Amino acid sequence: GNSVTQMEGPVTLSEEAFLTINCTYTATGYPSLFWYVQYPGEGLQLLLKATKADDKGSNKGFEATYRKETTSFHLEKGSVQVSDSAVYFCALSMGRRALTFGSGTRLQVQP
Amino acid sequence: DGGITQSPKYLFRKEGQNVTLSCEQNLNHDAMYWYRQDPGQGLRLIYYSQIVNDFQKGDIAEGYSVSREKKESFPLTVTSAQKNPTAFYLCASSEAGGITEAFFGQGTRLTVV
Repeated sequence: GNSVTQMEGPVTLSEEAFLTINCTYTATGYPSLFWYVQYPGEGLQLLLKATKADDKGSNKGFEATYRKETTSFHLEKGSVQVSDSAVYFCALSMGRRALTFGSGTRLQVQP
Repeated sequence: DGGITQSPKYLFRKEGQNVTLSCEQNLNHDAMYWYRQDPGQGLRLIYYSQIVNDFQKGDIAEGYSVSREKKESFPLTVTSAQKNPTAFYLCASSEAGGITEAFFGQGTRLTVV
């Protein structure tokens, strides 16, 4: 079946540091890929997406590139802020099936 | 404003009771989903529905039931058969499933007392 693997957290960074959160996937075929963000006590919000190989999704300074050859969709940001502290989820979608999520990575940004 | 509304935000259940979590969307989406989230863990799919009057079991459907009588509504019942129901429950919807992204409600935190 389909699956998503994310790096374990928490990830603790100082403000203005560079962020990378690794995400790899297993799927039969060519899924669409997503990053969602969850703030404490809230639902998930879509951060960015990519629907085919070599696509780059970007939003609010975050970027991720769909790499078919390495089955990866790593999330990056050049300079994190305290307000970026949240849990980040990588997810994939195949056809008409529901999203499959990774286990989430907690990011803590210190001032 | 278009979106997904879950209610209540907090819910307490006694052992042996059934409880129903509400999920309503006004996005005109065909597909709706229920996920369960446990502390420090990812989301696990309970049930999903691609169209009115039809739904499918997800990965952890045991102890749960759903109905989809209206396009905008997808209530989840947590039955007494669910042995460990304390969790955060998230409802989502999307356009006909698949490539388009899912939109999430704010969640319901269920606690067994």
